[in-house]
Amino acid sequence: AQSVTQLGSHVSVSEGALVLLRCNYSSSVPPYLFWYVQYPNQGLQLLLKYTSAATLVKGINGFEAEFKKSETSFHLTKPSAHMSDAAEYFCAVGGNAGNMLTFGGGTRLMVKP
Amino acid sequence: DSGVTQTPKHLITATGQRVTLRCSPRSGDLSVYWYQQSLDQGLQFLIHYYNGEERAKGNILERFSAQQFPDLHSELNLSSLELGDSALYFCASSVSRRPYNEQFFGPGTRLTVL
Repeated sequence: AQSVTQLGSHVSVSEGALVLLRCNYSSSVPPYLFWYVQYPNQGLQLLLKYTSAATLVKGINGFEAEFKKSETSFHLTKPSAHMSDAAEYFCAVGGNAGNMLTFGGGTRLMVKP
Repeated sequence: DSGVTQTPKHLITATGQRVTLRCSPRSGDLSVYWYQQSLDQGLQFLIHYYNGEERAKGNILERFSAQQFPDLHSELNLSSLELGDSALYFCASSVSRRPYNEQFFGPGTRLTVL
């Protein structure tokens, strides 16, 4: 079975500050890990994915994430937050037999001016 | 725009009714996934179809069913609706059934059961 835990359902940062959204996973098979972003009243958009190549993965909009097997983590970071980054972020794990994605509970990012 | 289309965008219906949600995957994608997003359950996988065949089932109620047609579009049928079925239903598609392929999500159908 696979599971994802996102620590912090709400994160608030100031514009220009570092963004750190935490994701820990559990998987009995080598995981494929994804970060998605959801803007209000929209579907999910892929930010980045880890598929066992490089452990540091760069995505769109300046986001990146580092896969740490020893910590079973895949935290999402961005050096400098923009107002447009305010959204809900979901970490997901795949790779099981059913090929479905298992999502974390989501983290709502708020960016203060 | 992900290239995945879902209709309708909004659906309001009464308890006990039956509805059909439709999804058209991105051109060339053979896999279609259905997910339910609700406040209490979060994002949950319902079912996966690949090239017309059911490949995996998640937390899908017996009152729910789905199919994927020869033209690869998919429909999710929800029957005997209950208040608790109110949620956002997403369809996603991917090019294959390999787990490393990203899934592209549609804009969702918001179902409200009154």
